[in-house]
Amino acid sequence: DADVTQTPRNRITKTGKRIMLECSQTKGHDRMYWYRQDPGLGLRLIYYSFDVKDINKGEISDGYSVSRQAQAKFSLSLESAIPNQTALYFCATSGDTDTQYFGPGTRLTVL
Amino acid sequence: EDQVTQSPEALRLQEGESSSLNCSYTVSGLRGLFWYRQDPGKGPEFLFTLYSAGEEKEKERLKATLTKKESFLHITAPKPEDSATYLCAVRAPNSGYALNFGKGTSLLVTP
Repeated sequence: DADVTQTPRNRITKTGKRIMLECSQTKGHDRMYWYRQDPGLGLRLIYYSFDVKDINKGEISDGYSVSRQAQAKFSLSLESAIPNQTALYFCATSGDTDTQYFGPGTRLTVL
Repeated sequence: EDQVTQSPEALRLQEGESSSLNCSYTVSGLRGLFWYRQDPGKGPEFLFTLYSAGEEKEKERLKATLTKKESFLHITAPKPEDSATYLCAVRAPNSGYALNFGKGTSLLVTP
C-alpha cells in the first residue's frame, strides 16, 4: 500500500462549488504539505503544517484553506472554486530528515 | 525572483548518450538541495539530497553533484526508462522545511 494517499484522484467541478481534497499518510511523519503544479510553473507551495496545531501559509494560499485533522490527515479546501484553480495538486510529508515524500496527486478541473 | 533555475527545459538523448542537467540556485545559506524524478501524471519521486559544496551522490546511472551556485545531475549511458521530468528544489529560507522547486527538465531517451 502507498505511504501517502490522496483522494479523489480526479475531480471535475463547476465554478463556485466547494471542494475538499484529502491526504492521508502512514509514514508517521509530523510535517505535511500541499502543492499545486501547473504546466510551465512548476510546483508551488500552498500550505504546510509541522504538527496538528501548526499550520502556515505558503506562496499561493489565497483561495485555499486547510485542516489538519490528525497527524496522518491533512485536507485542502477550495471554498469557491474558480477556473484558474485547475491544476494538479500534490500532498507531501516529511519526518526527521528533510526529504519530502509525495502522494500520487489529484487532477482538478474547474469548469 | 526565481531561487531555482533548471536548464535545459527539455533534452532529447539517444540511448547510451551521456549528458548533464543543470540546477542553479540563488538561495544564501543553502540548507539542502533535492533532486526528484517525476513521471507523467504521477507524484515526484525522491532521488538525492545534497547539503554542501563538493558533495556527490550516485544511484544507478545517475550522479548528483553540488557547487556553491549550482548542482548537476549527470546521466551516464541513459536508457529509455530514464525518460521523465527531473525536478530540483532547495529548502526555502523562512519557510521551515518547505521546498522551492525549479520548473524541471523534461528528458526523453530514445532507443
